Amino acid sequence: GAGVSQTPSNKVTEKGKYVELRCDPISGHTALYWYRQSLGQGPEFLIYFQGTGAADDSGLPNDRFFAVRPEGSVSTLKIQRTERGDSAVYLCASSLRDSPLHFGNGTRLTVT
Amino acid sequence: SQELEQSPQSLIVQEGKNLTINCTSSKTLYGLYWYKQKYGEGLIFLMMLQKGGEEKSHEKITAKLDEKKQQSSLHITASQPSHAGIYLCGADMRGGNTPLVFGKGTRLSVIA
Repeated sequence: GAGVSQTPSNKVTEKGKYVELRCDPISGHTALYWYRQSLGQGPEFLIYFQGTGAADDSGLPNDRFFAVRPEGSVSTLKIQRTERGDSAVYLCASSLRDSPLHFGNGTRLTVT
Repeated sequence: SQELEQSPQSLIVQEGKNLTINCTSSKTLYGLYWYKQKYGEGLIFLMMLQKGGEEKSHEKITAKLDEKKQQSSLHITASQPSHAGIYLCGADMRGGNTPLVFGKGTRLSVIA
């Protein structure tokens, strides 16, 4: 079966622009997580969905970041007015209840 | 401060040698997960530990969670070039499907 799919794999944008990152979880996985990973660091939690609702968004760094999961499957992470400090690899993971997280390959975002 | 400390930060071993990576938490863990990451890729799940004193093995990799559930070790026997990569521990620090907190990772290189 297919794993977690993230698109695009790479995104280069100019400072101040808006970007959307997409995550297709494993079919049937109810939980979906977004993490951000900077060079030489471990993944940093951003937001977690259980079904359609955001169960925990405490990791979003500020109000420029927003994520949706309208039908409980695909999720989109949206970043407004991008800054150079937003450059990182954005990882998505999905899971069934009480089971390990399965990660996608990430979207490498570069803000110039 | 980092909630989850990994040591060492990096490790270079000769092929065929054994090695151990440690992951230490200041809090009791509800679950401890080991992942492996190669450059430009997502995290690959290795093992999950939940009970104090638990030990699991897969091929040449063994992971243990201590009795107090605050420290885990990952041991690789007779290392091979295919073991090279970044090893990350992720911890469930609150229980109930809460997002994992990750360490910074240990970069392992295996030389012939």
